[in-house]
Amino acid sequence: QSVLTQPPSASGTPGQRVTISCSGSSSNIGSNTVNWYQQLPGTAPKLLIYRNNQRPSGVPGRFSGSKSATSASLAISGLQSEDEADYYCAAWDDSLNGVVFGGGTKLTVL
Amino acid sequence: QLQLQESGPGLVKPSETLSLTCTVSGGSISSSSYYWGWIRQPPGKGLEWIGSIYYSGNTYYNPSLKSRVTISVDTSKNQFSLKLSSLTAADTAVYYCARPTGSRGKGWFDPWGQGTLVTVSS
Repeated sequence: QSVLTQPPSASGTPGQRVTISCSGSSSNIGSNTVNWYQQLPGTAPKLLIYRNNQRPSGVPGRFSGSKSATSASLAISGLQSEDEADYYCAAWDDSLNGVVFGGGTKLTVL
Repeated sequence: QLQLQESGPGLVKPSETLSLTCTVSGGSISSSSYYWGWIRQPPGKGLEWIGSIYYSGNTYYNPSLKSRVTISVDTSKNQFSLKLSSLTAADTAVYYCARPTGSRGKGWFDPWGQGTLVTVSS
């Protein structure tokens, strides 16, 4: 059971906009920033969004992040086949004094 | 460009201790402001943070693993290491090293190593 809660799966057709939610509590998302990682099949995770809504250099503008209270969301617009991957949210947890991850969401592009 | 590479045995026996090393290239592990961390992923499952260390030795450990984990740093070799004791089959996973960024290493992980699969089996 992960500390941060994500839906196990999501799907969309090419060109569509999809969102992935991440729910936490006051000790993690409520008091710290949220980061998102993309894990393509058979590869290491890659930083996708940091500090709630910042994109690292090289990440397309189709990816965006937001946070409100104890929840966060990752949005992917103009969905492409290469976006098919697992997506993980993460945040620091002040009560556990450590990093907590969501269980991951498998995105399928139909 | 900073790169991280994990190394260590791919097969370890139950009850033994796992030892992995992460070699940092393209930058100094002693650089201020940065911590260095370990994350693992059991086959077909999600990510689990193991712990992080500052070059001076300050550490954070996952409370669920704290009694079995030791992370250390060797600045002379530009490496940091993970030791996990009393292994069981549940410790079978791909182990990643990564650099946590942000205030006191409490932020995001970037970059990541490619990962190394460790199987616990007799």
